[in-house]
Amino acid sequence: GQQLNQSPQSMFIQEGEDVSMNCTSSSIFNTWLWYKQDPGEGPVLLIALYKAGELTSNGRLTAQFGITRKDSFLNISASIPSDVGIYFCAGKSYNQGGKLIFGQGTELSVKP
Amino acid sequence: DAMVIQNPRYQVTQFGKPVTLSCSQTLNHNVMYWYQQKSSQAPKLLFHYYDKDFNNEADTPDNFQSRRPNTSFCFLDIRSPGLGDAAMYLCATSRETAYEAFFGQGTRLTVV
Repeated sequence: GQQLNQSPQSMFIQEGEDVSMNCTSSSIFNTWLWYKQDPGEGPVLLIALYKAGELTSNGRLTAQFGITRKDSFLNISASIPSDVGIYFCAGKSYNQGGKLIFGQGTELSVKP
Repeated sequence: DAMVIQNPRYQVTQFGKPVTLSCSQTLNHNVMYWYQQKSSQAPKLLFHYYDKDFNNEADTPDNFQSRRPNTSFCFLDIRSPGLGDAAMYLCATSRETAYEAFFGQGTRLTVV
């Protein structure tokens, strides 16, 4: 079945640094989504991408839908302590009836 | 205002005693998903509905069932919970197959 490989698994950074994480797949996705999850809560949608090559920003967050439709990245600029959490990529394919699958997650720690 | 509502937030059930988790949405979305998430892991898709069409994942145990009596509500039934079923259960909705998904806050299930 389809799988998403997300990296890195964890990151420890200093406040103010920029962060980059990415997801790759062996198959094509039509929609890429990026979520943040805090402990004990449901994932919260950060950015949605629908077209190959699309680059979208949400405040300090920027994400891109890869040209091959098999990858996506998320950048966070000037990190702050509240950026701490687990970030997940997720993807959908048209031929899967709306099925949404997740990458393994990137745990971000920010040192003040 | 919460748009995807899961009840209860915390559920304790006895080993082998049937339990039902509920999800409601005010978004009138066609697609509803149920995920299981264990500690430090990505959400794992159990099944999803497109309208009334049920899509079960091949590796979802028979112990897990679902009902969607109308657009707004979806239930997860665990017929005979085992200790290994203790997890966070997440419900999500999506307007259409290609669009972004929105998650509820989750139900933390404990099996004693």
